[in-house]
Amino acid sequence: IAGITQAPTSQILAAGRRMTLRCTQDMRHNAMYWYRQDLGLGLRLIHYSNTAGTTGKGEVPDGYSVSRANTDDFPLTLASAVPSQTSVYFCASSDNSNTEAFFGQGTRLTVV
Amino acid sequence: GQNIDQPTEMTATEGAIVQINCTYQTSGFNGLFWYQQHAGEAPTFLSYNVLDGLEEKGRFSSFLSRSKGYSYLLLKELQMKDSASYLCAVRDSNYQLIWGAGTKLIIKP
Repeated sequence: IAGITQAPTSQILAAGRRMTLRCTQDMRHNAMYWYRQDLGLGLRLIHYSNTAGTTGKGEVPDGYSVSRANTDDFPLTLASAVPSQTSVYFCASSDNSNTEAFFGQGTRLTVV
Repeated sequence: GQNIDQPTEMTATEGAIVQINCTYQTSGFNGLFWYQQHAGEAPTFLSYNVLDGLEEKGRFSSFLSRSKGYSYLLLKELQMKDSASYLCAVRDSNYQLIWGAGTKLIIKP
């Protein structure tokens, strides 16, 4: 089934631990994004990639890193998790920067 | 700074019409999107406006006025399944999406 897949669906993580959220799309989209969604706030862009091999910082990049080794995968890494990183994380992709974005089902992360 | 404003919550009756407003102040404008998000699920694309005017798609329509920095989403013949949050997003001069906090729409029978 074509689409965008995130893993894990949910995770409870001890503060200070390292964690990688996985994101894979099979639509051959050039652009990929990582957002966090917190209650009462809009989706906030963490990092993005306009094409394989390139990445950029979004609105709230601190504490997160990404890589884009190929078109399909765009993992998000928390080097040393903190409680303020408790959130729902959405990965998204779009054909290019002019078209609509398609979202994964989200990862609910709780840092304790 | 960049800002997208939407009402936090709205209530409407099944079968009725509801209009969800969105005002924006962004650095540049390259289109406005509306997404629907059911609780616990991912946002899904509803509509896209880049020119002034009304775009109609079935029961949903979206309007844009670039000079006023204003858009609305119109939902007709409301159904219980339309209970969801509706997110407004603007693509700025850097082609990044700026998101509103969303409007939670509650449909009552």
